[in-house]
Amino acid sequence: IAGITQAPTSQILAAGRRMTLRCTQDMRHNAMYWYRQDLGLGLRLIHYSNTAGTTGKGEVPDGYSVSRANTDDFPLTLASAVPSQTSVYFCASSEGGTGELFFGEGSRLTVL
Amino acid sequence: AQSVTQLDSHVSVSEGTPVLLRCNYSSSYSPSLFWYVQHPNKGLQLLLKYTSAATLVKGINGFEAEFKKSETSFHLTKPSAHMSDAAEYFCVVIVTTDSWGKLQFGAGTQVVVTP
Repeated sequence: IAGITQAPTSQILAAGRRMTLRCTQDMRHNAMYWYRQDLGLGLRLIHYSNTAGTTGKGEVPDGYSVSRANTDDFPLTLASAVPSQTSVYFCASSEGGTGELFFGEGSRLTVL
Repeated sequence: AQSVTQLDSHVSVSEGTPVLLRCNYSSSYSPSLFWYVQHPNKGLQLLLKYTSAATLVKGINGFEAEFKKSETSFHLTKPSAHMSDAAEYFCVVIVTTDSWGKLQFGAGTQVVVTP
């Protein structure tokens, strides 16, 4: 089934540890995004990529990094996790900037 | 700058009764507006979108929304709620001045449907 695959679905992590959340799409969309979802705050954009080889900062980029080596993969890395990064993380893709995003099912991260 | 405000954090309706989810936006440009739905433990799914064509937009699962520029609103409605409509709904605005658009999400409205 075509779509966005995220891994892991859930993870508990000790503060200070490094963590990479994986995201793969098979729709050949050129744009990809990482959001975090927190209660009462909706979704906030962390980083985005318009096309392979380029990335940009969103609304809340601090403490996160991304790479876009190819069209399909867009991993999100927490270099040194902190408890405030406890959240549900969603990867999404779109064909250009149409606003029609396709979302993965999320990765629930708990930092202790 | 653009922003979006969802006026209700929670809405409770009885099955078979109408649903109204309210959304107001502010935008310096002609906006594109969207409603997304998120069922429990799932990702978000597009319900409908407004992109300056017809002001009454029909979406999936019987939902529709009306763009009212004078009121800066984009309320979501459904004539008759089903149990399967229980979910969180997000109103979203996009600025189309860039080559790609940055989305601004509202804080969400949780819908509860009672039998």
